Amino acid sequence: GQSLEQPSEVTAVEGAIVQINCTYQTSGFYGLSWYQQHDGGAPTFLSYNGLDGLEETGRFSSFLSRSDSYGYLLLQELQMKDSASYFCAVRDRRDDKIIFGKGTRLHILP
Amino acid sequence: DSGVTQTPKHLITATGQRVTLRCSPRSGDLSVYWYQQSLDQGLQFLIQYYNGEERAKGNILERFSAQQFPDLHSELNLSSLELGDSALYFCASSVVSGGIHEQFFGPGTRLTVL
Repeated sequence: GQSLEQPSEVTAVEGAIVQINCTYQTSGFYGLSWYQQHDGGAPTFLSYNGLDGLEETGRFSSFLSRSDSYGYLLLQELQMKDSASYFCAVRDRRDDKIIFGKGTRLHILP
Repeated sequence: DSGVTQTPKHLITATGQRVTLRCSPRSGDLSVYWYQQSLDQGLQFLIQYYNGEERAKGNILERFSAQQFPDLHSELNLSSLELGDSALYFCASSVVSGGIHEQFFGPGTRLTVL
């Protein structure tokens, strides 16, 4: 089947670093994307990994390992405004369906 | 502001009714995607159109249909509505047809079925 697994909640302290993992069970996909969604808002694109390895965009980095069926989003120098839900997403090569994980709610403590 | 517009913002209707949600993509984007987000759920991909043609289909119910018009705006039609259809419906757009590259999401339409 096609599924993406993420932790439902993660808590971290302001200024710290947090990693949000995403594991998947799908045989072939185009790449891994990450989106942020604040309460009451629309998802906004954060990062995309088409190839294995690390992609860095400011305080956010994302990693993909196809051999391990695993990816993660790394958020550094956490700020209170980073409190949001984070979703990983893939597109299955076999049927072109887009699959989102159920999301990880990030709580940041002062 | 992503540049994607959706109307209406809110919609309240009764079971058995039919509604139409509208989406205008960002200028220059040819792909439009529709998603459903229920309470505490992730985003469920419904359907994608690219330049007027259906490009990919998710787990869209037979009661739901969509189309993309020559001016590239899209409409999602939901019929024989049930209580379980109450959700936030997002439209997104992108330049490309395939892959999972950057998508720009509209503000959503919140549908409440009573």
